[in-house]
Amino acid sequence: GEDVEQSLFLSVREGDSSVINCTYTDSSSTYLYWYKQEPGAGLQLLTYIFSNMDMKQDQRLTVLLNKKDKHLSLRIADTQTGDSAIYFCAESPYNFNKFYFGSGTKLNVKP
Amino acid sequence: GAVVSQHPSRVICKSGTSVKIECRSLDFQATTMFWYRQFPKQSLMLMATSNEGSKATYEQGVEKDKFLINHASLTLSTLTVTSAHPEDSSFYICSARASLAGPRETQYFGPGTRLLVL
Repeated sequence: GEDVEQSLFLSVREGDSSVINCTYTDSSSTYLYWYKQEPGAGLQLLTYIFSNMDMKQDQRLTVLLNKKDKHLSLRIADTQTGDSAIYFCAESPYNFNKFYFGSGTKLNVKP
Repeated sequence: GAVVSQHPSRVICKSGTSVKIECRSLDFQATTMFWYRQFPKQSLMLMATSNEGSKATYEQGVEKDKFLINHASLTLSTLTVTSAHPEDSSFYICSARASLAGPRETQYFGPGTRLLVL
C-alpha cells in the first residue's frame, strides 16, 4: 500500500494558527483528505483536494499541496479549543477505492 | 451529515472466544461498507470491503476465516473475530458509502469498537 506519514503531536495556543503536515508516496493522480476525530467519535471529513490542485480554502481551513515534494498541509486559522482532536491525512488513488491513512496528528489547543 | 453507529463501543473477551461487532448506517442505505483496524499511534489499515448481498473482499494478509464479514442488509454489516487472541486486540472502525460509484468523499465513519482480548 501507499505510505502516508504525519507527525504525532502539535500544541498551539488559542487564537494562533495550526499547521498540520502530511507526506505521501503515491505518484499517480490521487485524492487527498483531512479527517478530524474527536474522542469517542467517528472520523469527520473536513476537506479534500485532488492532486492536480495546489490549494483549497474553506473558511478557517486552508489546504496546501506541494506535488513535487508530495507534501500536504492543513492550516487552521484562529485555532479554538474545540479544534483539539486527532487529525488524519488520507490518500485515495484515483483508480482505486481504497483509503490509506496516516497515523494521525494529535492537536492540543491551550487556552 | 449521515450517521454510522457501531456496537459495542468497547468489548473485553477471553482468548478463544468469538466477538461480533456491528456497523449500522442509521439514515441512509449503504451498499458498501469498509472495515478498518487501528493499532495505537498507527494508521487505520483497511481490512476488507463489504458489499451488500455478496462476499466481502479482503485485503492482502487479512485472514477471511478469522475475520468473518456479513453484509446482510443495506444498513448493517457485521465483523466477527473468531477464536480471538490477545494480538487481535485493537480498535476496529467501519465506514459506509451509499454507492461505490458515488463521490469518494461521501464515506461516513463509525465511532469505532475497542476490543481487548485477555
